[in-house]
Amino acid sequence: DTAVSQTPKYLVTQMGNDKSIKCEQNLGHDTMYWYKQDSKKFLKIMFSYNNKELIINETVPNRFSPKSPDKAHLNLHINSLELGDSAVYFCASSQGRDRGGYEQYFGPGTRLTVT
Amino acid sequence: AQTVTQSQPEMSVQEAETVTLSCTYDTSESDYYLFWYKQPPSRQMILVIRQEAYKQQNATENRFSVNFQKAAKSFSLKISDSQLGDAAMYFCAYNEEYNNNDMRFGAGTRLTVKP
Repeated sequence: DTAVSQTPKYLVTQMGNDKSIKCEQNLGHDTMYWYKQDSKKFLKIMFSYNNKELIINETVPNRFSPKSPDKAHLNLHINSLELGDSAVYFCASSQGRDRGGYEQYFGPGTRLTVT
Repeated sequence: AQTVTQSQPEMSVQEAETVTLSCTYDTSESDYYLFWYKQPPSRQMILVIRQEAYKQQNATENRFSVNFQKAAKSFSLKISDSQLGDAAMYFCAYNEEYNNNDMRFGAGTRLTVKP
């Protein structure tokens, strides 16, 4: 069974469109994350969600919005897509909230290409 | 803010040889966790090894070991008996003791394994 799954794995769309990426984890973890990996492979956290509460928002444009219908899901909605949004987006999950040190389990990534 | 630096964008090793990947970090905290993640061409991020800052003993996982120098804020990864399957991007990461929601990654080192 896949621990953290993302759909779709590839997404090609035009500028100005609105798109969503879905993420599901079956590990029973408390916290879920979204990361953006740019063309230089630099990995940066975008959001962290715990029990439906946003923990971190790292200066991400408000065109990006995470939505968590339940503990096992954290979807990423992107409005008015721009060329600079092209990247690989990773969903991840981990145990715990108040203590660090837990392994983060990553999804397979979604390669978003904006044309 | 804590920063993680990987000064080697690329490294190469001969199959069956040993290679060491460097990582330094900057923090004012005394309790934290350090990680090495591997990202093969498949894009899947996989945890390689984890180190608690309060432990003096260096972590070891089969052919992977770390050299953790807390005073120097250095956390290098040694891969022994390198295999073709070790070829990947390797990311060093830092996580605070009391904050599971903000894992900081280095820029990564691309490891090539020559047969």
